[in-house]
Amino acid sequence: AQTVTQSQPEMSVQEAETVTLSCTYDTSENNYYLFWYKQPPSRQMILVIRQEAYKQQNATENRFSVNFQKAAKSFSLKISDSQLGDTAMYFCAFFRYSGNTGKLIFGQGTTLQVKP
Amino acid sequence: NAGVTQTPKFRVLKTGQSMTLLCAQDMNHEYMYWYRQDPGMGLRLIHYSVGEGTTAKGEVPDGYNVSRLKKQNFLLGLESAAPSQTSVYFCASSTLAGGTGELFFGEGSRLTVL
Repeated sequence: AQTVTQSQPEMSVQEAETVTLSCTYDTSENNYYLFWYKQPPSRQMILVIRQEAYKQQNATENRFSVNFQKAAKSFSLKISDSQLGDTAMYFCAFFRYSGNTGKLIFGQGTTLQVKP
Repeated sequence: NAGVTQTPKFRVLKTGQSMTLLCAQDMNHEYMYWYRQDPGMGLRLIHYSVGEGTTAKGEVPDGYNVSRLKKQNFLLGLESAAPSQTSVYFCASSTLAGGTGELFFGEGSRLTVL
């Protein structure tokens, strides 16, 4: 069974600085997808970034980028130029289609506070 | 531009009462999911559906039932609520098209069982 682990329950960063959130996962599969979702205090789940396992190039979305290490099963999220609006809980998630099913497995989450 | 809509947003129940959470999506997605979110445990999958008329168990299905009579709706039922079911519940949907696995979430429903 796939598992996703986020070892940092809480982190903080000063506004405008860079922070990296860690995520590791366990799977025996070769083709899958990895995601980072953001959950601000509004509770809405917002997709931040997506990585296809077959792509070696790390995904980037504006100030958000990932460091995908497939052999090490590591998928960290880097937030550059942190903004107050980045304060939220961040979830790493793993997804794989299997036949006609597909499930998203989440890590425990990391609460990020951006300080002014 | 509704996306995924959950009702109700908040509910307080007494132990033993029953209730149903409704999830509706207007994106014609094949897959629908119910998750629960508890502090320190992330989101855990309760049940899911890969199409109209189908349902399957997730990680934590005990105490819940689901139905998907129409493609756009996915109902989560609690027949006899227990305090351990106090949680925030999220519905999500996704599509096979594109095959990226991205889930679209509702805004969550906070359930308190006294």
